[in-house]
Amino acid sequence: QVTLKESGPGMLQPSKTLSLTCSFSGFSLSTSGMVVSWIRQPSGKSLEWLAAIDWDGDKYYNPSLKSRLTVSKDTSNTQVFLKITSVDTADTATYYCARTLLPGYPFFDYWGQGVMVTVSS
Amino acid sequence: EIVLTQSPTTMAASPGEKVTLTCRASSSVSYMHWYQQRSGTSPKLWIYETSKLASGVPNRFSGSGSGTSYSLTINSMETEDAATYYCQQGSSYPLTFGSGTKLEIK
Repeated sequence: QVTLKESGPGMLQPSKTLSLTCSFSGFSLSTSGMVVSWIRQPSGKSLEWLAAIDWDGDKYYNPSLKSRLTVSKDTSNTQVFLKITSVDTADTATYYCARTLLPGYPFFDYWGQGVMVTVSS
Repeated sequence: EIVLTQSPTTMAASPGEKVTLTCRASSSVSYMHWYQQRSGTSPKLWIYETSKLASGVPNRFSGSGSGTSYSLTINSMETEDAATYYCQQGSSYPLTFGSGTKLEIK
């Protein structure tokens, strides 16, 4: 059974660094073809893909935010992390992690429940 | 970046009515994927690779399209189908989503 769960600070101040963790089970990120992505959704708005990391450790970023994003994974291949630097109110959103299975044209077959992050002074 | 434009933005359908949601891409894509999101919950994969139904999706749903024009069709609207539907392309990075169609029950 595949499950993913996001965790984060809930609230942080502008200009700080947001650190998020995605803990998952039911698959290993060391398995060929596995990819975990971060996607966010401001309240009442659409979805924005942020970044991904694959089984080989290759990383992919949305160019619109690339300079502020860092995605990584742990050595046990059961957690993926996302850091966003210099946050501001526009980063207030629900953040999801989701799994993709390659090869093919990437889509997200399993999603976490999401973690709400509010940026406010 | 490939921009996906969904239409309509919002619509209401009566039980039993046929519904078609549209997604247009700014450049040609090989496949389109669709997600259903009910209020307060995570998106769920609904249709992948244009026309394949995800596990558990009722067969009143179907998907079609090619190039820059794709659609999701509900053969006969049911109450439980009320949700927001998003299209997503995986043909090029960055992966992008449409702005969504909110489907309500009349």
